[in-house]
Amino acid sequence: KAGVTQTPRYLIKTRGQQVTLSCSPISGHRSVSWYQQTPGQGLQFLFEYFSETQRNKGNFPGRFSGRQFSNSRSEMNVSTLELGDSALYLCASSQRGGANEKLFFGSGTQLSVL
Amino acid sequence: DQQVKQNSPSLSVQEGRISILNCDYTNSMFDYFLWYKKYPAEGPTFLISISSIKDKNEDGRFTVFLNKSAKHLSLHIVPSQPGDSAVYFCAAITGNTPLVFGKGTRLSVIA
Repeated sequence: KAGVTQTPRYLIKTRGQQVTLSCSPISGHRSVSWYQQTPGQGLQFLFEYFSETQRNKGNFPGRFSGRQFSNSRSEMNVSTLELGDSALYLCASSQRGGANEKLFFGSGTQLSVL
Repeated sequence: DQQVKQNSPSLSVQEGRISILNCDYTNSMFDYFLWYKKYPAEGPTFLISISSIKDKNEDGRFTVFLNKSAKHLSLHIVPSQPGDSAVYFCAAITGNTPLVFGKGTRLSVIA
């Protein structure tokens, strides 16, 4: 079974631009979560999608948005990029997003904002 | 407000010795705890978990201990191996809320 796939692996953008990141979950997994990892801040939850609906949202500004498609693939978008958005963005999937389910993470997209 | 805290950013241990990674939490509603391991350029991978109804869970060289009264859990790795060198994240969850992660502890196992 293929793992969680995130594209692209690396991105360089400038302030004010927007970016779209993509995530393909493990086949059969319907829940997709997004996390931001920055040095010293650990993994911070962005949002979770299940069956094309946003089920949970973290404490991030409205510039961060996401969506999920009928095939469970998910995208996240960051508009009006700021220097502080430079981070590793991780996507994770699970079958139903249940409380005791393991999350399976992709390798992440490393975003650098110049 | 950090609900899951890993107060040691880094830890160095000699190969063959025990590694002890600590984690404290503030939310008494957390009822399930997990440890994830992360190598550079890879996503975190699940290592071991424990339910709040238990105080110990063991899987091979890895054991997690939970002290609910102290709101503290620890991960023991015995014996430590160079391949264990990674960043370890403690995480906690309650109900259908998302996993809350700590900031991680970088473990270096020295041969």
